[in-house]
Amino acid sequence: AQTVTQSQPEMSVQEAETVTLSCTYDTSESDYYLFWYKQPPSRQMILVIRQEAYKQQNATENRFSVNFQKAAKSFSLKISDSQLGDAAMYFCAYRSPYPVSGGGADGLTFGKGTHLIIQP
Amino acid sequence: DAGVTQSPTHLIKTRGQHVTLRCSPISGHKSVSWYQQVLGQGPQFIFQYYEKEERGRGNFPDRFSARQFPNYSSELNVNALLLGDSALYLCASSHTWNSPLHFGNGTRLTVT
Repeated sequence: AQTVTQSQPEMSVQEAETVTLSCTYDTSESDYYLFWYKQPPSRQMILVIRQEAYKQQNATENRFSVNFQKAAKSFSLKISDSQLGDAAMYFCAYRSPYPVSGGGADGLTFGKGTHLIIQP
Repeated sequence: DAGVTQSPTHLIKTRGQHVTLRCSPISGHKSVSWYQQVLGQGPQFIFQYYEKEERGRGNFPDRFSARQFPNYSSELNVNALLLGDSALYLCASSHTWNSPLHFGNGTRLTVT
């Protein structure tokens, strides 16, 4: 079974600064998807960024970028020019690209999350 | 377009009771997934339905069941509620079984 580990329960950054959230995962698969989701107090999980394991180029979405190290099974999220609206829980997640029949799970495997605080 | 809608928003039940949670996917989405998020933890996968058939099931007891209707909406049913079932239940929809997920705001279930 795949596992996702987020070792930082909480991170704090000054507004306009850059912060990096860490994520490691364990899998025996060679192809998979990795995600970062944001969960503000509204409770809705919002997709921040997605990375396909077969792509060597790191994904970027405006101020958000990832550092994907496949051999090290590491997938960190960098937030540049932090804004007050970035304050939220951030979850790293893994998904196999292949359907699993019977009792297997097709769903996302999430880490425990990192609480990001933005200091004004 | 409306996002994923879940009802009710909050729910309080007593141990041993049964509960039904409802989810309407984004228009055009044919897959619905359910997740349980216990306070302080990341969401855990419960079920995925695609084209009205179960495509995946997480490690949850048989007290948890779900179904998807012809209009692609879905229900999650939990029987014989335990205190440990208290959690935020998230529904997510996607175009196909492996497309990116779009989540609703969840149903907060409290079991007393």
